Amino acid sequence: EVQLVESGGGLVQPGGSLRLSCAASGFTFSIYWISWVRQAPGRGLEWVANIKEDGSEKYYVDSVKGRFTISRDNAKNSVYLQMSSLRADDTAVYYCAREDDFNTFDYWGQGTLVTVSS
Amino acid sequence: DVVMTQSPLSLPVTLGQPASISCRSSQSLVHSDGNTYLNWFQQRPGHSPRRLIYRVSTRDSGVPDRFSGSGSGTDYTLKISRVEAEDVGVYYCMQGTHWPRTFGRGTKVEIK
Repeated sequence: EVQLVESGGGLVQPGGSLRLSCAASGFTFSIYWISWVRQAPGRGLEWVANIKEDGSEKYYVDSVKGRFTISRDNAKNSVYLQMSSLRADDTAVYYCAREDDFNTFDYWGQGTLVTVSS
Repeated sequence: DVVMTQSPLSLPVTLGQPASISCRSSQSLVHSDGNTYLNWFQQRPGHSPRRLIYRVSTRDSGVPDRFSGSGSGTDYTLKISRVEAEDVGVYYCMQGTHWPRTFGRGTKVEIK
C-alpha cells in the first residue's frame, strides 16, 4: 500500500524556519518525482515545489523561491522541505504528493499544519 | 501562470440527481507531446485530496463510474450522473500541462 506521511509542522514566528519531512513506503521511492502542495485554511490548493527522482532537478512556485528548499534522501525514502523567512501567508496544511507519468499527483499524504504567527 | 476557472463555486444537489462542474483554462492544455493533462480531485471534509480523473477522462482505480470527465482545449467538465451522500466535498480541477501546476479554486458540492 502506498503511503506518504508528513511531519514537522507546528507554530513558528514570522521570519522563522521549519523543516518538513515526508516519509514514503509501499512503492519504489527512487523512481518518482515528489511534490509539496499546500492549502491555506479554508482555501484552495497550491503547488509549492517538486524534486526529480535523483534530486538533480528542483522547481518552486515563485512565492517561495529563495526561501524554501526541497531535498530528498532515497536511502531513507524521504523528502524534505526546508522553509525559512516564513510569513503569515505561508500558513497552510502542507501535503506531499507522488507524481506519476501523467504530470499529476496520484497519491497524497495526510498533511501537516504549519502556522506562522507571533 | 495558467489560470483555472471553475464554476459554479457552490453546487447544492438533490440526492440521486446529476451534477456538473465546469473548468476553463486560460491557455490550451494540449501538451506538445499530444496529451492533455487535465485532472480532477475530490476533497472530502477533513481529508486529503484524492484524484478521480486524469488526462481529461480516465478514471482512477476504485472511482465509481458515475464520475466522468470530458472536454478539450480550454473547456472541461466533471459530471456526476447521480449524486450520492459520499460525494459531498470540494472538487478541484488541476492542469499538468504547463509550469507551474495550477488548480482551480474548487467547487463545493453539498446536498440540498
